[in-house]
Amino acid sequence: DQQVKQNSPSLSVQEGRISILNCDYTNSMFDYFLWYKKYPAEGPTFLISISSIKDKNEDGRFTVFLNKSAKHLSLHIVPSQPGDSAVYFCAASETGTYKYIFGTGTRLKVLA
Amino acid sequence: DAGVIQSPRHEVTEMGQEVTLRCKPISGHNSLFWYRQTMMRGLELLIYFNNNVPIDDSGMPEDRFSAKMPNASFSTLKIQPSEPRDSAVYFCASSPSGESPYEQYFGPGTRLTVT
Repeated sequence: DQQVKQNSPSLSVQEGRISILNCDYTNSMFDYFLWYKKYPAEGPTFLISISSIKDKNEDGRFTVFLNKSAKHLSLHIVPSQPGDSAVYFCAASETGTYKYIFGTGTRLKVLA
Repeated sequence: DAGVIQSPRHEVTEMGQEVTLRCKPISGHNSLFWYRQTMMRGLELLIYFNNNVPIDDSGMPEDRFSAKMPNASFSTLKIQPSEPRDSAVYFCASSPSGESPYEQYFGPGTRLTVT
């Protein structure tokens, strides 16, 4: 049973436009969420995180939104750049525990 | 810092052979994680070490899989005997603390192909 779901395996966006990547979770105990970015032949790298006490966290072009009632989070990239083309994983955990549950990833392609 | 180091980067082996994957975590990190990435299941946690002690190995798929961490700077994941369904990318990650909300730092991965 997948506790963290990324239902869109892939997404294509034109350069300069907004990219929106979505993630749903089922475990109401999760209170810390992260997004990782992965380029081919490299390991995932941390991008941005959010605690459940917030509903938005922003870092430059990247913003993560959290809707606790819907158990849904999204990553917005504005404006999208070709270098953003990668696989994006969302992950969830309970604060104070060690286990991060990852989604299956969404492959973003930003078209020049 | 060099980051998390994994070797080999690619491994091709025949079914039935023993495979050993290696990991050097970031110096000073006391938590180490082994993950397996597949298309169907994404990133799955195999085993978690804290201060060199295995804390949770519930993700290890079968007895064919074993992991060790003899010291703070080295860990191995062994598959014996290997099977074609073990083909995947295996990642090692380390963290300054085992407890969320610390981020995990991933190595580049080992792509394993079992024929």
